[in-house]
Amino acid sequence: EVHLLESGGGLVQPGGSLRLSCAVSGFTFNDYAMTWVRQAPGKGLEWVSSITGSGGSTYYADSVKGRFTISRDNSKNTLYLQMNTLRAEDTALYYCAKDQIAGIAVVGLLGHWGQGTPVTVSS
Amino acid sequence: EIGMTQSPDTLSVSPGERVTLSCRASQSVNSNLAWYQQKPGQAPRLLIYGASTRATGIPARFSGSGSGTEFTLTISSLQSEDFAVYYCQQYNNWPPQYTFGQGAKLEIK
Repeated sequence: EVHLLESGGGLVQPGGSLRLSCAVSGFTFNDYAMTWVRQAPGKGLEWVSSITGSGGSTYYADSVKGRFTISRDNSKNTLYLQMNTLRAEDTALYYCAKDQIAGIAVVGLLGHWGQGTPVTVSS
Repeated sequence: EIGMTQSPDTLSVSPGERVTLSCRASQSVNSNLAWYQQKPGQAPRLLIYGASTRATGIPARFSGSGSGTEFTLTISSLQSEDFAVYYCQQYNNWPPQYTFGQGAKLEIK
């Protein structure tokens, strides 16, 4: 059974940093691209970033480009999101999600999701 | 960025009714369109991909159609467990800049 478990969220001041983790099990991690999606309180879903299975290619929403870095450690079956220079508008529940289709590229079709980790940016 | 617009934002319906939700893309996304269901306090769940293919375990009462810029999600006979928020998402961009619709909430009438 596929399982994704996010951690690392919390309260941080504006301008601060956090690193989110997503530990996965139940599938061959390096066969699948992975994605972070966020959801602000009471709002809709926003794609944040994606990474290929090898980790060789990364992609970002314009709203986080230059501030967030996605990475993965395939030996540890773990996905990361390093978030720097955080702003109030980054406050959200952050989900990690697995591509539905195995392959070398990012497809962006999100077949399995974790339960999310909350990030609050406030002074 | 490809904009995704869903309609209506909210729909009040009774169990057993047939429901159709719409999703419009600002430019063609071919058939690279997915639908997700999200219940309160839960993560989204993939329902439909490729505009019309049901994901594993999704009941046959859910169906999707469309291509290009106009898409629909139909629930043939609404069950109590179907009251939720539904999102469309395009995954057509290259390089990736995937976008979601704003969501459509199904409420019990």
